[in-house]
Amino acid sequence: QVQLQESGPGLVRPSETLSLTCTVTGGSISDYYWNWIRQSPGKGLEWLGYAYNNERDSYNPSLKSRVTMSLVTSTDQFSLRLTSVTAADTAVYFCARADLPGGEYDFWGPGTLVTVSS
Amino acid sequence: SYELTQPPSVSVSPGQTARITCSGDDLPKKYCNWYQQKAGQAPVLVIYKDDERPSGIPERFSGSSSGTRGTLTISGVQAEDEADYYCQSADSSDTYVVFGGGTKLTVL
Repeated sequence: QVQLQESGPGLVRPSETLSLTCTVTGGSISDYYWNWIRQSPGKGLEWLGYAYNNERDSYNPSLKSRVTMSLVTSTDQFSLRLTSVTAADTAVYFCARADLPGGEYDFWGPGTLVTVSS
Repeated sequence: SYELTQPPSVSVSPGQTARITCSGDDLPKKYCNWYQQKAGQAPVLVIYKDDERPSGIPERFSGSSSGTRGTLTISGVQAEDEADYYCQSADSSDTYVVFGGGTKLTVL
């Protein structure tokens, strides 16, 4: 059974860089689309972007200049970097797997709360 | 930017049928997927590719799509179905993924 687990700092200072890792167990990271999705407190789901085999990626236009995603196939990990964070980036961050771009998410991590505050 | 529109809330009594809609201009060309999210938990896929049900999801959950509208139907609603429901799709080029704003299902 595939399992995903997000990890990273729970507190990030304003203007700094948010870095998270999603570790995949029970399956390979190759040949799937790995997505980051976030949910601000009391709000809906927001797609941040996806990466595929380090060959293709796509990011939410609202974040495009601040976000980078990459895969480390040797360790089955998937990373997110979000630069110049503000309080508006405070959210629960989820990683999720899809077999196609824009496809359904069959596996999700439990999510990790990141708070942006000084 | 591409958007999916859902009603903010739907309320039904136990045993009744709940229908949650999702409207989007590209839905005639793209699949609509549905997720259930309970408080403090990650979303769970309940319907994919418009009308397919993952294993382990109760048969009372069904989906359909017609034109620019996708619909999630929950027949014989139970108290445990009270949750937020989100639709998800992609733009016509599969470049961008989009979620609807979410619908809070209340079981009266």
